[in-house]
Amino acid sequence: GAGVSQSPSNKVTEKGKDVELRCDPISGHTALYWYRQRLGQGLEFLIYFQGNSAPDKSGLPSDRFSAERTGESVSTLTIQRTQQEDSAVYLCASSLGDRSNSPLHFGNGTRLTVT
Amino acid sequence: KNQVEQSPQSLIILEGKNCTLQCNYTVSPFSNLRWYKQDTGRGPVSLTIMTFSENTKSNGRYTATLDADTKQSSLHITASQLSDSASYICVVSHSNSGYALNFGKGTSLLVTP
Repeated sequence: GAGVSQSPSNKVTEKGKDVELRCDPISGHTALYWYRQRLGQGLEFLIYFQGNSAPDKSGLPSDRFSAERTGESVSTLTIQRTQQEDSAVYLCASSLGDRSNSPLHFGNGTRLTVT
Repeated sequence: KNQVEQSPQSLIILEGKNCTLQCNYTVSPFSNLRWYKQDTGRGPVSLTIMTFSENTKSNGRYTATLDADTKQSSLHITASQLSDSASYICVVSHSNSGYALNFGKGTSLLVTP
């Protein structure tokens, strides 16, 4: 595809349920990022994947959050036992490696609402 | 703590007018500074990326400036259009890690007819 694709675009779930968010990066982009964006707040780093290196998980807020990426393709972000404070837009971005001046290409995000 | 502060928080201007958005940062050591535009319900889109040695960079009607000594950047929008209504986000990269990015909260711009 031409850009980063995220699915679903919207997800409403009940408190305590698990959710899985998907990200399809731009083909050839070795770096992939997940961010969380709460209303009126800046983007909050969650996790970073670069090729086959061990991911940087330092931004994951709790052990309820996990993410996987198969090679340089699709990534999934899983939130277990969702809480109301997990409600936010989850953005995925990809870029050409970890060169510091590579622009990030963002998907349109998944808006998660926990009721 | 590395911080990126943007001002104003929100701005309303008439179509055709110019405006300037500000970004102050304390990230050190600094690698590059980026401006992104985020339309409502969409992901951010890159406008400019400037390294330490660059003072200004343009992208159409958008011109970003950087003063690395004072740790300040501005984004100037010329002859605004209704489609410029969006959130503009300043992002500063830490030089010790190519992927560590510090995001400002953004300036919400509304261009009215």
